[in-house]
Amino acid sequence: SQQGEEDPQALSIQEGENATMNCSYKTSINNLQWYRQNSGRGLVHLILIRSNEREKHSGRLRVTLDTSKKSSSLLITASRAADTASYFCATAPMVDAGNKLTFGGGTRVLVKP
Amino acid sequence: ETGVTQSPTHLIKTRGQQVTLRCSSQSGHNTVSWYQQALGQGPQFIFQYYREEENGRGNFPPRFSGLQFPNYSSELNVNALELDDSALYLCASSSRGIYGYTFGSGTRLTVV
Repeated sequence: SQQGEEDPQALSIQEGENATMNCSYKTSINNLQWYRQNSGRGLVHLILIRSNEREKHSGRLRVTLDTSKKSSSLLITASRAADTASYFCATAPMVDAGNKLTFGGGTRVLVKP
Repeated sequence: ETGVTQSPTHLIKTRGQQVTLRCSSQSGHNTVSWYQQALGQGPQFIFQYYREEENGRGNFPPRFSGLQFPNYSSELNVNALELDDSALYLCASSSRGIYGYTFGSGTRLTVV
């Protein structure tokens, strides 16, 4: 079963616009991670936010985490055509279960030039 | 520094057959995890290996098994293949205690 639910399932924007996607989860976590996947190939790690952090930035990426609401958001600013991909949130459990990640269903982002 | 390498890239098998997928970990990583990703869905955790022992397993039947070798490379074996086993199989390596995985490009398995 998947812990995370992502919203929206699909997103279409123009180049230069911002893209925001949300992730909700069910159980307590140690950290939450965001990954990108191009064309059904391997996942690329984007950013990790720990349960005691509320916001984190990496380049054009901004991630927030609200543990009271069990939710996270990923913002991509000034999007580019190359940002077209599927984005997944993944949670790592509070109790060490071998760093097992539980993924959401993903948000498919299309950036139109 | 090399990344995670998976082989083969694509594979077609017949229902009932057995398959072995291979993964070479990123240099310096001692933990390997395997995930199954059905079309249009997020990856599902199969199991993880650390120091050649299984260290956590997801909701997959025993016909899914694995190995980790002293050089931290790994194999995923699936027996008695079913049509629903058709998926992208992803291998990910990490250093235990350090979160954040490096994923391979995956093996696309089609069962006919």
